[in-house]
Amino acid sequence: NAGVMQNPRHLVRRRGQEARLRCSPMKGHSHVYWYRQLPEEGLKFMVYLQKENIIDESGMPKERFSAEFPKEGPSILRIQQVVRGDSAAYFCASSPPGLAGGLAYEQYFGPGTRLTVT
Amino acid sequence: KNQVEQSPQSLIILEGKNCTLQCNYTVSPFSNLRWYKQDTGRGPVSLTIMTFSENTKSNGRYTATLDADTKQSSLHITASQLSDSASYICVVSGGLSGNTGKLIFGQGTTLQVKP
Repeated sequence: NAGVMQNPRHLVRRRGQEARLRCSPMKGHSHVYWYRQLPEEGLKFMVYLQKENIIDESGMPKERFSAEFPKEGPSILRIQQVVRGDSAAYFCASSPPGLAGGLAYEQYFGPGTRLTVT
Repeated sequence: KNQVEQSPQSLIILEGKNCTLQCNYTVSPFSNLRWYKQDTGRGPVSLTIMTFSENTKSNGRYTATLDADTKQSSLHITASQLSDSASYICVVSGGLSGNTGKLIFGQGTTLQVKP
């Protein structure tokens, strides 16, 4: 059973371009979470999705950022018109469906995508 | 404000020695507390998960403790190995997110084990 996969692992974009980050959850997992880790900082929650639904996007910047988890295919985190401050490591995690709360929400992390904006 | 604070920020120990990392949190309501290990350039990997009713949990040479009354946790590493060099992150689930699984991360303690 392959772990959480993210691609690309490294992404370089010039200011104003779009960045698309992909996350394939573990097999059987229907919950996906995106986190951002700025240099020298801890991970910060961005968004929580289930198939075709955004459950909690309270950590997402209001502009330029969007996320989706379609019925088929990977979850996508999209950043439009990137700026230098978007340079960070973006981690995706997934968890299996289960009862609310507690251990049912063990999250398995991918290796991350390192975005560099020049 | 829901926060997770870790200490020390960084730590250097000799191979074979033990060490203890600390975590204080103000997250309320509380669901569970996790310790993750993050190697440089990799994603976090779970070491332990504890609910409020658990005081201690072990995973090999890693032992985590939790005091839900004082809102403190510790991660003890025994007989350290070079491969233990990593960032150790305390993560709390809970707060207003309740059962949505949103995690609140500490800044991490960077551990370096020297031969």
